[in-house]
Amino acid sequence: DIRMTQSPASLSASLGETVNIECLASEDIYSDLAWYQQKPGKSPQLLIYNANSLQNGVPSRFSGSGSGTQYSLKINSLQSEDVATYFCQQYNNYPTFGSGTKLEIK
Amino acid sequence: EVQLQESGPGLVKPSQSLSLTCSVTGYSITSNYWGWIRKFPGNKMEWMGYISYSGSTSYNPSLKSRISITRDTSKNQFFLQLNSVTTEDTATYYCARYLLLQCLDYWGQGVMVTVSS
Repeated sequence: DIRMTQSPASLSASLGETVNIECLASEDIYSDLAWYQQKPGKSPQLLIYNANSLQNGVPSRFSGSGSGTQYSLKINSLQSEDVATYFCQQYNNYPTFGSGTKLEIK
Repeated sequence: EVQLQESGPGLVKPSQSLSLTCSVTGYSITSNYWGWIRKFPGNKMEWMGYISYSGSTSYNPSLKSRISITRDTSKNQFFLQLNSVTTEDTATYYCARYLLLQCLDYWGQGVMVTVSS
């Protein structure tokens, strides 16, 4: 199976800052990557698919990039409602997930 | 609006079977693909399998001998059965809809299942 190594495990940033979360795949996944946001007590919400396509209704301050084995999620102008755990998922082979990044406001 | 809701027992004894139902409203399960995913304590997530619009299935190889996903199109529901559970199957179980058999664009709220005697 394809292993997804996500970093950092936790992140604390100030309102208005830009944050980056990384996922490294154990092999080339050809941009078959999604990013999700999960707020406490809620179900995951799809943010990005195909590495850089923004899901309908997701604010444009979220963006995804990457190729091959390296991918990142960028959040511009951090807002209080962005407090959540973020995780990546590859679907090049049967799906596997990153371990998650817990984002807090400083 | 597409909505999914998991239901089932919150406590299962070791060696027994875990059975969950996903009830879908706002969209027919005879379209798209529909999956089960679980999140373990400590936040590791695992894809378990899916059932397609035609009723075909695909399972995580690590679960293949224990898992079955079926459906009832008349009720717009699909089901998860996991046999011979152990304490390691304790997790929050989610059902979800696939976007183009890639990622998952609608999720249920999740149901926590504890395996314990």
